[in-house]
Formats: sequence, structure tokens, C-alpha cells
Amino acid sequence: DGGITQSPKYLFRKEGQNVTLSCEQNLNHDAMYWYRQDPGQGLRLIYYSQIVNDFQKGDIAEGYSVSREKKESFPLTVTSAQKNPTAFYLCASSPDTDVLNSPLHFGNGTRLTVT
Amino acid sequence: DQQVKQNSPSLSVQEGRISILNCDYTNSMFDYFLWYKKYPAEGPTFLISISSIKDKNEDGRFTVFLNKSAKHLSLHIVPSQPGDSAVYFCAARSYNNNDMRFGAGTRLTVKP
Repeated sequence: DGGITQSPKYLFRKEGQNVTLSCEQNLNHDAMYWYRQDPGQGLRLIYYSQIVNDFQKGDIAEGYSVSREKKESFPLTVTSAQKNPTAFYLCASSPDTDVLNSPLHFGNGTRLTVT
Repeated sequence: DQQVKQNSPSLSVQEGRISILNCDYTNSMFDYFLWYKKYPAEGPTFLISISSIKDKNEDGRFTVFLNKSAKHLSLHIVPSQPGDSAVYFCAARSYNNNDMRFGAGTRLTVKP
């Protein structure tokens, strides 16, 4: 079955530590995205990538970093510079960002708790 | 800067009745709108979409209406079923922008 796999489902870290969230897709999609969900707010875009070795900042990129070395993989690193890292993180992909009628396919998310 | 707003955090309806979820947007550049459905501990799944050249799109029990002049869209579910209980996100996208803007979501509860 094609889909997006995010791991782990739950992640706990101490403040000051960097942590990397995994996102893998076997849908052969060109574009991949990272969103953050906080209570009472919509999904906010952190980073997105349209092709391998290229990515752009979203609205809330500060304190995060990404890489896109392979088409299938788009890991997100939450650095110690991120002031409020505790959140639910969602990875998504789409066939082509230029295609308007191209809904996002989401993974099941990773809930990160930093104490 | 919330460009997409869902002002009702929750909605409760009886099984068999109509559910109407509302969404407002502020950016007139948006020309493609989507609804996603999310169950707990899962990622959102695409439900239905509408282009700005249309004012209605229907898919089975789900219909989305778009009122461009009012910058408002709504999702109608008829008849509502208990399995429809989930959080529904409205999203919008503009032709010259690669990201999608999401509302905060509305939690729908359909009571048997």
C-alpha cells in the first residue's frame, strides 16, 4: 500500500536537545511538506520541498531544519532554538505543487513533547 | 495572520440530519478550496474540493458550496452518520503560492 510513514508516533525530549522526526513516502510524489498543529489553530507550514535537494521555508521555519536527499524522505529536525517545540507534527506529500487540484496526502503525525 | 477561519470549534448533530460546517477566508487570491477530515491520532484525509470557477461540488453525501463574494464556503453532509464524527479542516490555496492555508478545524459529533 502506498502512503506516508511518520515515526515515531510519540517522542519525548529534554529541553535543549535537537530531535529529528522521520517522514518517508512511497507514493512517488515530488512535493513534501511539514506542518505543525497546535490546539485551536490550523495547520501551519514549517517547510516544503518541491524536488530533491531543494526546500523552502514556510511561515514558521525558525528553529527547524530539513533535508531532502532522496525523493522518498523528508526528515525534520527540531532544534534547541525552537522556543515552543511541543506540538503535533504532520508530514504531507503531493504529486506536484504546480497542479492546483492536487490535495495533500498526510501521514499519521508525530506528537513531540519537550520538557 | 489567519487567512482561513472556522469560527465554530464544535458542532453536534443527530444521526440522519444535515451537518453544515462553515469556513471564511480573507485572501481574495485563493482559488482552490478543500475540506479534510481528521480522526484522532491520524493525519487528515482529503474529503472534497472546489475550484473558484464553481459554486458547488457534490460527492455522495458531501457537498461543498462556495460564495466568492462573501468569501465563504460550507460543507454539507446529508445524511450525517456517526462515522462522520471527526475534526473537519477547511483549506485554501492560491494559484501563485505553493502552500495551503488551513483553518483551525471544527469538531463534528454525530449522535446516534
